[in-house]
Amino acid sequence: KAGVTQTPRYLIKTRGQQVTLSCSPISGHRSVSWYQQTPGQGLQFLFEYFSETQRNKGNFPGRFSGRQFSNSRSEMNVSTLELGDSALYLCASSLGLTTYEQYFGPGTRLTVT
Amino acid sequence: GIQVEQSPPDLILQEGANSTLRCNFSDSVNNLQWFHQNPWGQLINLFYIPSGTKQNGRLSATTVATERYSLLYISSSQTTDSGVYFCAVDPYTGANSKLTFGKGITLSVRP
Repeated sequence: KAGVTQTPRYLIKTRGQQVTLSCSPISGHRSVSWYQQTPGQGLQFLFEYFSETQRNKGNFPGRFSGRQFSNSRSEMNVSTLELGDSALYLCASSLGLTTYEQYFGPGTRLTVT
Repeated sequence: GIQVEQSPPDLILQEGANSTLRCNFSDSVNNLQWFHQNPWGQLINLFYIPSGTKQNGRLSATTVATERYSLLYISSSQTTDSGVYFCAVDPYTGANSKLTFGKGITLSVRP
């Protein structure tokens, strides 16, 4: 079974621009979660989607948003990029119902200049 | 929110040595996972272990939910075991999942 895939793997953007990251979960998984990893803050939860609905949200500004499609693929968007948004963005998928074990993708490394 | 503390923060071993990594958490959990982050950043699942004991080759893990801690044991360490080990927990039950991560333990295994 194929794992979680994320595109693109690397991205360089300029401050003020916006960016969209994509995540395809493991086949059959209906829950997709997003995390941000930075050297200073570590790994932090952004949000979780299940069946196209946001079920949980972390403590991030409204510039961070996401959505999930009917095939469970998910995208996250960051608008008005700031230098501090430079990070590794990780996506995870799980069945989302009776078991919650999460499986992570390889990540998208975003650099904001 | 729930607090997760991992210790020690750094660990240096000689190849072949054994080690124990600890994770303490501040509340009851529905999910506890151990991950190894590879040099490219991907989190590799080691164990899904909200309670009990599991073993996978040279690695084993034990979670004592009533005392709010989990241990990851690495036996006969190899240089390929080097990297950062994370413990992550989710205290919620029901219709959501949100992992809270510890700061990680950096393991260096020397040949």
